[in-house]
Amino acid sequence: GAGVSQTPSNKVTEKGKYVELRCDPISGHTALYWYRQSLGQGPEFLIYFQGTGAADDSGLPNDRFFAVRPEGSVSTLKIQRTERGDSAVYLCASSLTGGRAGANVLTFGAGSRLTVL
Amino acid sequence: SQQGEEDPQALSIQEGENATMNCSYKTSINNLQWYRQNSGRGLVHLILIRSNEREKHSGRLRVTLDTSKKSSSLLITASRAADTASYFCAAGAQKLVFGQGTRLTINP
Repeated sequence: GAGVSQTPSNKVTEKGKYVELRCDPISGHTALYWYRQSLGQGPEFLIYFQGTGAADDSGLPNDRFFAVRPEGSVSTLKIQRTERGDSAVYLCASSLTGGRAGANVLTFGAGSRLTVL
Repeated sequence: SQQGEEDPQALSIQEGENATMNCSYKTSINNLQWYRQNSGRGLVHLILIRSNEREKHSGRLRVTLDTSKKSSSLLITASRAADTASYFCAAGAQKLVFGQGTRLTINP
């Protein structure tokens, strides 16, 4: 597609529920990133995919968070047993290359705002 | 922890003035990038400077990099109301780690 698409744009859920957030990256971008941003803060790295595999998941806060990218394109961020502290804007970005030698210029989606009541 | 830290956290200037934001980072880098975010979502890439470069220009933007001090600065010249946004530096190799950002307000 022309840009990075994220759905839903807004999600309100109750504490304890399961949530899925979807990211459709730019066609041909091999690297895909998930970030989380709280109000007034910078984006916090969660996980990065190179192709289908998670190259770095060191930013996932705990085992309630999981992300997949089964075909190397669309990715889904999954949050189990949501907590109020999970409320944030979840940003997805993609780039042409995620390699060490590459210049990783990220194209971001508009984000999914998650509110846990 | 955040890789980059911007200074100041907030900056308010009059239209037409220049705005300077600073960023410090912690580890070795291949390049350093600056992004802009307009009220809310979606960051937009502004400029990238490689570790072997000291200065780079793009339109009204000027970025400097001092690897010995692990710092960078972003200068926006002749500011406009439309420049009102948050500005973030980002550094890293395989993953980009962002700073807390500078909130820039341009007053007409």
